[in-house]
Amino acid sequence: GAVVSQHPSWVICKSGTSVKIECRSLDFQATTMFWYRQFPKQSLMLMATSNEGSKATYEQGVEKDKFLINHASLTLSTLTVTSAHPEDSSFYICSASDRGADAFFGQGTRLTVV
Amino acid sequence: DAKTTQPPSMDCAEGRAANLPCNHSTISGNEYVYWYRQIHSQGPQYIIHGLKNNETNEMASLIITEDRKSSTLILPHATLRDTAVYYCIVREGRGATNKLIFGTGTLLAVQP
Repeated sequence: GAVVSQHPSWVICKSGTSVKIECRSLDFQATTMFWYRQFPKQSLMLMATSNEGSKATYEQGVEKDKFLINHASLTLSTLTVTSAHPEDSSFYICSASDRGADAFFGQGTRLTVV
Repeated sequence: DAKTTQPPSMDCAEGRAANLPCNHSTISGNEYVYWYRQIHSQGPQYIIHGLKNNETNEMASLIITEDRKSSTLILPHATLRDTAVYYCIVREGRGATNKLIFGTGTLLAVQP
């Protein structure tokens, strides 16, 4: 299957700082990528749809000013958690599909805010 | 909201077939049934998908009932590495912009 890579795999940051997570499609171009968040012992929750060259579409209840998404190229989307707080600690996962194909997921990024 | 219902957990003996059920009674005609699994602390892994017909690949088989209101994922010879949370997802179409909305999934524990 297609390969989606996230970086970093884990990050620890201080409360109040911002953290950027990258999601890359390695062997295909992705006009659309998705960002999910997963808390311990819970399922994945869709946060937003990242569209290449346009604004992201956020799910209800997700603060767009806190979770900044940039999809500047067909192979890269970034999620920036701004002014992170301990409650933002979670497992963040991206996915991407090429044209007409099935969604493939990155390995996830574990964010810990201290 | 997720459109599927799955049992929260199941056990299976190593080497035996694992049959994971999923109910999707409100599925509409253009919606596909997808299965993913998530091993602890990793991203979900695609397993298989289908629309109406039964499907088989190197990982699993997918049996969809004739009325499409339920399906079963079959792992023919479960191994310890198949221990994971399995998600059954109903997805509208197969386009790149179509979302995958995850439900609570089934935790499959393969026992030695």
